[in-house]
Amino acid sequence: AQSVTQPDIHITVSEGASLELRCNYSYGATPYLFWYVQSPGQGLQLLLKYFSGDTLVQGIKGFEAEFKRSQSSFNLRKPSVHWSDAAEYFCAVGPGQAGTALIFGKGTTLSVSS
Amino acid sequence: GAVVSQHPSWVICKSGTSVKIECRSLDFQATTMFWYRQFPKQSLMLMATSNEGSKATYEQGVEKDKFLINHASLTLSTLTVTSAHPEDSSFYICSARDRTPYFGPGTRLLVL
Repeated sequence: AQSVTQPDIHITVSEGASLELRCNYSYGATPYLFWYVQSPGQGLQLLLKYFSGDTLVQGIKGFEAEFKRSQSSFNLRKPSVHWSDAAEYFCAVGPGQAGTALIFGKGTTLSVSS
Repeated sequence: GAVVSQHPSWVICKSGTSVKIECRSLDFQATTMFWYRQFPKQSLMLMATSNEGSKATYEQGVEKDKFLINHASLTLSTLTVTSAHPEDSSFYICSARDRTPYFGPGTRLLVL
């Protein structure tokens, strides 16, 4: 079955500390991988995506993610977290075709402490 | 990046009335759009896939007569919640994709 697992429901990180959010997927075809961020009451904003090529991808707001095919993982990282990074983060996987919806993980809530 | 808009951003209505939500892709044509529902502190739940010029495809458990979807053009899809009831209160988000899926800002529906 196709699925996305985000093992951490809630993570608290001190401001200025590094962050890693985990994402594991199960997908039968070549995966297209995405990370989105959602602030309360808002839609989803694309942080970064992986289609092919370099397995370390850079995104907006200083985020990066590494695709590891052998581990079926696409973990999101940021070297220094800012208080404004507090939000809900969703990992998603899907095919390359425009006509198919993404499969989402349940999300990880990030809290940032001062 | 591509932008997807939704209107209205939030709506309050009385039980029994119908509510229409619009989703537009602003700078690309979308043959397919997607409608999601999101409950508080939960992930997105795919409701239906909207196809331009043809019938929408609904996910299992979603009432097609309750949630009417029309994809009138390559840039506009609408979701109509018919005879809304309090249990329909939720956050509705649409998505359109070229190669990358983009999401609208969402519509908060409150049915009294």
